[in-house]
Amino acid sequence: DAKTTQPPSMDCAEGRAANLPCNHSTISGNEYVYWYRQIHSQGPQYIIHGLKNNETNEMASLIITEDRKSSTLILPHATLRDTAVYYCIVTRDNYGQNFVFGPGTRLSVLP
Amino acid sequence: ETGVTQTPRHLVMGMTNKKSLKCEQHLGHNAMYWYKQSAKKPLELMFVYNFKEQTENNSVPSRFSPECPNSSHLFLHLHTLQPEDSALYLCASSQESPGGAGAYEQYFGPGTRLTVT
Repeated sequence: DAKTTQPPSMDCAEGRAANLPCNHSTISGNEYVYWYRQIHSQGPQYIIHGLKNNETNEMASLIITEDRKSSTLILPHATLRDTAVYYCIVTRDNYGQNFVFGPGTRLSVLP
Repeated sequence: ETGVTQTPRHLVMGMTNKKSLKCEQHLGHNAMYWYKQSAKKPLELMFVYNFKEQTENNSVPSRFSPECPNSSHLFLHLHTLQPEDSALYLCASSQESPGGAGAYEQYFGPGTRLTVT
């Protein structure tokens, strides 16, 4: 079973920030939070990951709450090409990353 | 382009056929994965290979048989499949440390769309 909870769908206006929430209330101390996205019928694409601190890269920012029970993926200026299913995953840092994908959030960026 | 290629991209096979899916990664990674994505379902992890050794087999039926001849190639051999096996089959790779410390993202291929008739 997936250890995360995400809203099934969200809309965002083009050019605005998209904030995608994820709850992971049972996360343990050595588990990372990963975000992937999947554009229709393509392979998932890695976006970002973090452990405790907030992270930023060229694609997005990841904000993790202090208690680590939830996080938010921020796409600062959403474009139509960001329309996809976004997956939030928590996984331990063991030998071989066993990702458990849930249903994710279907983000629709509207013109 | 993620550095992970899969062939064929589309495959139609009968229930009595034998076919193989191929995955190749050009990233120098040491771990490779097979996932299955059925219509309107989340991705399901099928097999994991680390350093060419199979480390996970998530209750996958024996009609699916993986093979990892080296760290760059991964195959999924298919035989006597059922129509419900029709799905998108995705391959991924990552770079793992022997001790398992740290976190490593997986890079996915484009997938093979399989239809069993």
